[in-house]
Amino acid sequence: DADVTQTPRNRITKTGKRIMLECSQTKGHDRMYWYRQDPGLGLRLIYYSFDVKDINKGEISDGYSVSRQAQAKFSLSLESAIPNQTALYFCATSDSGLAGVGEQYFGPGTRLTVT
Amino acid sequence: GNSVTQMEGPVTLSEEAFLTINCTYTATGYPSLFWYVQYPGEGLQLLLKATKADDKGSNKGFEATYRKETTSFHLEKGSVQVSDSAVYFCALSDQGDSNYQLIWGAGTKLIIKP
Repeated sequence: DADVTQTPRNRITKTGKRIMLECSQTKGHDRMYWYRQDPGLGLRLIYYSFDVKDINKGEISDGYSVSRQAQAKFSLSLESAIPNQTALYFCATSDSGLAGVGEQYFGPGTRLTVT
Repeated sequence: GNSVTQMEGPVTLSEEAFLTINCTYTATGYPSLFWYVQYPGEGLQLLLKATKADDKGSNKGFEATYRKETTSFHLEKGSVQVSDSAVYFCALSDQGDSNYQLIWGAGTKLIIKP
């Protein structure tokens, strides 16, 4: 079984709808991240969490919210989806400590299309 | 601030050709450097890393050397295969950055033709 799973894998939704993307991990890592990938722009960090009680905004948090329900679960919500949120979304985890920062483990991604 | 610049793709090569993907960085502290690979339809996975100047990271036939004097971390492979077709990302983490974030390059798509 995969260490980091994301659901759904693909989603098409309409403008204005609320949508939640879910991430679960079995690696036992404290740190979890949500990224967005757009062609030619690499990865951009949306939110990150260093433990259940710690949530931090990343580079592009506007229009998104997150919930860390447990050490193993980190959800990303789009409160009112808009077309420019169409992208590939990745969840990632890492171990705590300085060495863990660069070694992130990624889920397979969720392809979201907002029409 | 910290940043990573990669050569633009796509890079198209024939099988068994020599590969170089350029990566340069700017950092205010003492960064660790990474190469990640994204195969079609998959998430990213760590390919190799180097944590200090002159370190060489290597994995699956790929190598990259941390060059502080030229602020570079170029990815090389002596003989590429069709299965190496993927998107490659260079990234850095700065231990002096209390946010502990990875800074990503834009990615370079590699296409290997048989």
